Amino acid sequence: DTAVSQTPKYLVTQMGNDKSIKCEQNLGHDTMYWYKQDSKKFLKIMFSYNNKELIINETVPNRFSPKSPDKAHLNLHINSLELGDSAVYFCASSQAGGAGSYNEQFFGPGTRLTVL
Amino acid sequence: AQSVTQLGSHVSVSEGALVLLRCNYSSSVPPYLFWYVQYPNQGLQLLLKYTTGATLVKGINGFEAEFKKSETSFHLTKPSAHMSDAAEYFCAVSGGGGTSYGKLTFGQGTILTVHP
Repeated sequence: DTAVSQTPKYLVTQMGNDKSIKCEQNLGHDTMYWYKQDSKKFLKIMFSYNNKELIINETVPNRFSPKSPDKAHLNLHINSLELGDSAVYFCASSQAGGAGSYNEQFFGPGTRLTVL
Repeated sequence: AQSVTQLGSHVSVSEGALVLLRCNYSSSVPPYLFWYVQYPNQGLQLLLKYTTGATLVKGINGFEAEFKKSETSFHLTKPSAHMSDAAEYFCAVSGGGGTSYGKLTFGQGTILTVHP
């Protein structure tokens, strides 16, 4: 069984379109994350949700809107796609993320988004 | 604020040789430190972690790392490289407190090449 899964694996679209990436984890974790890996392989956190509540929002453009229908799912919707949005987006989950806690994060396989 | 610096974006070793990947961190709170490996077109896999306790930590695939507070370092080593170790390696730090709730800050990554 895949612990953290993402769909789709590849996404090619035109500038200006709206697209969504879905993430699901079956680990029973209560915290989920979205990371962006750019063309230089630099990984940066975008969002974190704990029990469906937004915890971290790292100055991401408001064209990006995460949604967590339940604690096993964290979807990422992107409006008005731009060329610079092309990247690999990774979903991750962990058991906890509170103050002073240890948070081993488990990553999904990534979604490669290409904006033309 | 936290940051991670990985010295050397590319490291090349011969099969059977020592692997040393360098990581230095900056953290205003006691750090939790991680090494992740990313194989081509795959997600990140945790190699090892340091939270508290013993400063020499052992991970999967024969890797280990030593937390040196005085040097703010967490270098990754493996006594004998194998061809299957060729991948990109990311060092990451988490403070786990306050607004950094669950946030992992990654280094720039080091690509390890193993020659026969």
